[in-house]
Amino acid sequence: AQTVTQSQPEMSVQEAETVTLSCTYDTSESNYYLFWYKQPPSRQMILVIRQEAYKQQNATENRFSVNFQKAAKSFSLKISDSQLGDTAMYFCASGGSQGNLIFGKGTKLSVKP
Amino acid sequence: GAVVSQHPSWVICKSGTSVKIECRSLDFQATTMFWYRQFPKQSLMLMATSNEGSKATYEQGVEKDKFLINHASLTLSTLTVTSAHPEDSSFYICSALGGQVYGYTFGSGTRLTVV
Repeated sequence: AQTVTQSQPEMSVQEAETVTLSCTYDTSESNYYLFWYKQPPSRQMILVIRQEAYKQQNATENRFSVNFQKAAKSFSLKISDSQLGDTAMYFCASGGSQGNLIFGKGTKLSVKP
Repeated sequence: GAVVSQHPSWVICKSGTSVKIECRSLDFQATTMFWYRQFPKQSLMLMATSNEGSKATYEQGVEKDKFLINHASLTLSTLTVTSAHPEDSSFYICSALGGQVYGYTFGSGTRLTVV
């Protein structure tokens, strides 16, 4: 069975600063993918970044990057130059051969001006 | 880009009635769709997985007779909440596998309120 754990229910950061959201996971799959999704108040799920487990290189998307530690089963998200529009719930998720995503409980991020 | 259209965005119904939620992939074929439920301030919980042309697979604890899922075509999956009760009030989200390279495309969600 897959599990995803986000240990930070809430976090806040000042605008323009950097923040890191933590995520750990457990899976028996050898081939899997990891995701970070953003859910703003509209509740639309927005893909932030994706990491293929077989790739050693950490994924980056503009201001967003991950620190993928496969042996430690850790997948943290770093947001640089935080913007007010980054305020949202952030969910870490794991996807395997069954196709379905397993989500963590989420981290509520507040970016303060 | 890949789009999944989910309707209605919100619905209010009376206890005992049934409500149908539709998810349609607009520009790609979705052989697999997932239905999630999200309570306020909580995460997404997978309810069921539907594959085109076959019966849905339900997660443990999800009543298949209450939450009817139909995936009759490669572009449409429906979730029908039968004999709705106030405890069924929730936010329901569909997700289609496809449209991106090993990616998931989410619908915009449906807020169901049963009164």
